[in-house]
Amino acid sequence: QVQLQESGPGLVEPSQTLSLTCTVSGGSISSGGYYWSWIRQHPGKGLEWIGYIYFSGSTYYNPSLKSRLTISVDTSTNQFSLKLTSVTAADTAVYYCARAALTQEFDYWGQGTLVTVSS
Amino acid sequence: QSVLTQPPSASGTPGQRVTISCSGSSSNIEGNFVFWYQQLPGTAPKLLIYKNNQRPSGVPERFSGSKSGTSASLAISGLRSEDEAEYYCAAWDDSLSGVVFGGGTKLTVL
Repeated sequence: QVQLQESGPGLVEPSQTLSLTCTVSGGSISSGGYYWSWIRQHPGKGLEWIGYIYFSGSTYYNPSLKSRLTISVDTSTNQFSLKLTSVTAADTAVYYCARAALTQEFDYWGQGTLVTVSS
Repeated sequence: QSVLTQPPSASGTPGQRVTISCSGSSSNIEGNFVFWYQQLPGTAPKLLIYKNNQRPSGVPERFSGSKSGTSASLAISGLRSEDEAEYYCAAWDDSLSGVVFGGGTKLTVL
């Protein structure tokens, strides 16, 4: 059974960089066949796809976030990470990591972590 | 404003059949697979339907998906109180080169 767990600061100051890591267990990122994804949900709102990465390092980003976004993968630790620069209050959200099949369905999700942007 | 359009709310009584619609365009629903997710309060979304009408293992047959042209639907038959949740549709969008979600439909079981 694949499990994903997000970790990182719950509070980030405006203009700083939001950094989160997702640790995958029960399966190897380097085995291929899946995209490793980030999705966020603003408080009381719907889901927003942030982007994903393949084990090879190929990335796909939401165009609206692309200029501030970096997703990376570390196959040695079976983790992938999100960095979002120059954050504002509008980046306050629950951030989920998830596994996406090549047909793009998100079949396994982390529990989510709330990140608040505030001074 | 979400790329995929869903009604904000839906409701039904136990045992009823309800449907939730998802409207898109030629760049997303028409040419790509549609997915449905169920989000119970305070929890992460759960995959309910993939590839338009396929159910993952463990999802009851009461849940079914369909697609026609630029629209898709999720049907829930034999409605149960535990089906009360938010439901989201999603698809790849060729124009945006990314995954797009609907705004979500809150299902209330009366």
